[in-house]
Amino acid sequence: GAVVSQHPSWVICKSGTSVKIECRSLDFQATTMFWYRQFPKQSLMLMATSNEGSKATYEQGVEKDKFLINHASLTLSTLTVTSAHPEDSSFYICSANQYNEQFFGPGTRLTVL
Amino acid sequence: GENVEQHPSTLSVQEGDSAVIKCTYSDSASNYFPWYKQELGKGPQLIIDIRSNVGEKKDQRIAVTLNKTAKHFSLHITETQPEDSAVYFCAASINRGDDMRFGAGTRLTVKP
Repeated sequence: GAVVSQHPSWVICKSGTSVKIECRSLDFQATTMFWYRQFPKQSLMLMATSNEGSKATYEQGVEKDKFLINHASLTLSTLTVTSAHPEDSSFYICSANQYNEQFFGPGTRLTVL
Repeated sequence: GENVEQHPSTLSVQEGDSAVIKCTYSDSASNYFPWYKQELGKGPQLIIDIRSNVGEKKDQRIAVTLNKTAKHFSLHITETQPEDSAVYFCAASINRGDDMRFGAGTRLTVKP
């Protein structure tokens, strides 16, 4: 099946800094990618839909100025957590859409100190 | 919007027994219902899915049933094995490939 990678797999940063997470579709092109956030022992919550060449669509309650999404190519979407705070610590998972099936990345664990 | 509820939150079974996880959804427009298995520290992996025009689907030890009238669907795992231990999520979307709403997850433990 299609492979989606994320980088980094884990990151630790200081409060107030920005962190960029990459999501790549390795063997296919994806015009649509999704970003999810998962807190410990909780479900995946959709944050935003990333569309190649256009602005991302954010879910209600997700701050677009804090979670910057850039889908500049058909194989790469990035999520930048700006001015990160400890409450942003979470597992961030992306998925990419191929032939109307979503393939999930392995996730990125963000810890903000 | 869509609201997906999942039960139970934890499930422990003996190896060889069956496991059943149930989900309900609220949006009658939803037509696609996948199930994912997530192992610790990894992203979800699709294990089976069903569309609204089908009542049941089976793939070896895994089966999913859908009652669209009642808006509920279930995952059935037979002859469970220790490697089935993981967190399982149900989800719902209008169409396959659309953004999905996930259930809260079920932590399944299969005891050898």
